[in-house]
Amino acid sequence: QAVLTQPSSLSASPGASVRLTCTLRSGVSVGAYRIYWFQQKPGSPPHFLLRYKSDSDVDLGSGVPSRFSGSKDASANAGILVISGLQSDDEGDYYCLLWHNNAYVFGSGTKVTVL
Amino acid sequence: DVRLLQSGAEVKKPGATVKISCKVFGFPFTDFYIHWVQESPGKGLQWVGFIDPSDSKSTYSETFQDRVTITADKSTDTVHLAFNSLTSGDTAVYFCAAGDRFEIWGQGTLVSVSS
Repeated sequence: QAVLTQPSSLSASPGASVRLTCTLRSGVSVGAYRIYWFQQKPGSPPHFLLRYKSDSDVDLGSGVPSRFSGSKDASANAGILVISGLQSDDEGDYYCLLWHNNAYVFGSGTKVTVL
Repeated sequence: DVRLLQSGAEVKKPGATVKISCKVFGFPFTDFYIHWVQESPGKGLQWVGFIDPSDSKSTYSETFQDRVTITADKSTDTVHLAFNSLTSGDTAVYFCAAGDRFEIWGQGTLVSVSS
């Protein structure tokens, strides 16, 4: 079982709020980890959005709008990326990342489509 | 101007070795770890490993540790990724990234493996 699982795709209308999940494997507790989030568009490298460990330990990337925010859902053992006021430019692939067992691990990625 | 400049595309035959490079501009070479990330069709992003240019100590993903070597050359501010025993499954774009938030990315290097 993969360490990090993300839904393969998600679609929503402009202006909507979307919630991307990054679920940790059973036995790997989300509370202990700083979760990184990246956006990637075709033909470009990933772009750092934010990293979140707790409300007092959160770091938004340079130039990243506050429409992007992070959180955790302990009951679901998942890291969360929320995009508020979805815009057409938000289309792309979104990846989570964490440091686990002396290695970085990426999630499988979620393709976000703006309808 | 803070940036990472990667070497050009490579075409290799199965079983060969490839060595690609990532040159640092605009910040002290020893300030940040340099990571390598693989982007391949159908697999998304995979972290390959990183090096600390200050002491040349490297850490690798278990997935790649038997076949990759990451080195740092302080005389040229350049990090290299060597990948041996190539197979068609290694065909991918390889990115270098720097910063504790993976904020700085190279443009990517396409490695194609084909007989």
